[in-house]
Amino acid sequence: EPEVTQTPSHQVTQMGQEVILRCVPISNHLYFYWYRQILGQKVEFLVSFYNNEISEKSEIFDDQFSVERPDGSNFTLKIRSTKLEDSAMYFCASSGDGRGGIQYFGAGTRLSVL
Amino acid sequence: GESVGLHLPTLSVQEGDNSIINCAYSNSASDYFIWYKQESGKGPQFIIDIRSNMDKRQGQRVTVLLNKTVKHLSLQIAATQPGDSAVYFCAEMEYGNKLVFGAGTILRVKS
Repeated sequence: EPEVTQTPSHQVTQMGQEVILRCVPISNHLYFYWYRQILGQKVEFLVSFYNNEISEKSEIFDDQFSVERPDGSNFTLKIRSTKLEDSAMYFCASSGDGRGGIQYFGAGTRLSVL
Repeated sequence: GESVGLHLPTLSVQEGDNSIINCAYSNSASDYFIWYKQESGKGPQFIIDIRSNMDKRQGQRVTVLLNKTVKHLSLQIAATQPGDSAVYFCAEMEYGNKLVFGAGTILRVKS
């Protein structure tokens, strides 16, 4: 069964460092998303991406965040200068359809900022 | 403000009983809703969805009910099994395919 894969499963970094979280969406999907979940809290939307452009982004997704689809398979989330409060689980998702398409999630990357 | 952890409601059921998990959503304009299951250390897993032109949808052992009048969703799980133990989230889709998740409910199945 096709699935969204994310690497690494756990990333530890020092405050102020740049991190790149990687995702391989389901192969025929066209819509890509990043969400995050701070420990013990709700899953929160960060950004949606379609046709090599950001479709929608949340207030959380400030200038420190960026997304990229560098090739035909990967979808990345970059945090330029990590802060302690960026520590969370980051989930990538993809969907085959736009409005109303089921979003399938990866297992997540746990980011720990020290 | 400072973030605090959520105290999730917990539903404990006996194996074999039916479970009902409830969710209130906020946006009356939302027209698509999804239930996800999240097991420890894993990402949200799709269970079932429903569009606003329906009030009931059935899957395998699961049923979702939608009451638009009071902005309420419920997930019914028939013959609950130990493998159903997880956190269950409802989500509504907003502009830009953004999913807005509820706080979640912990389901514990007792054998």
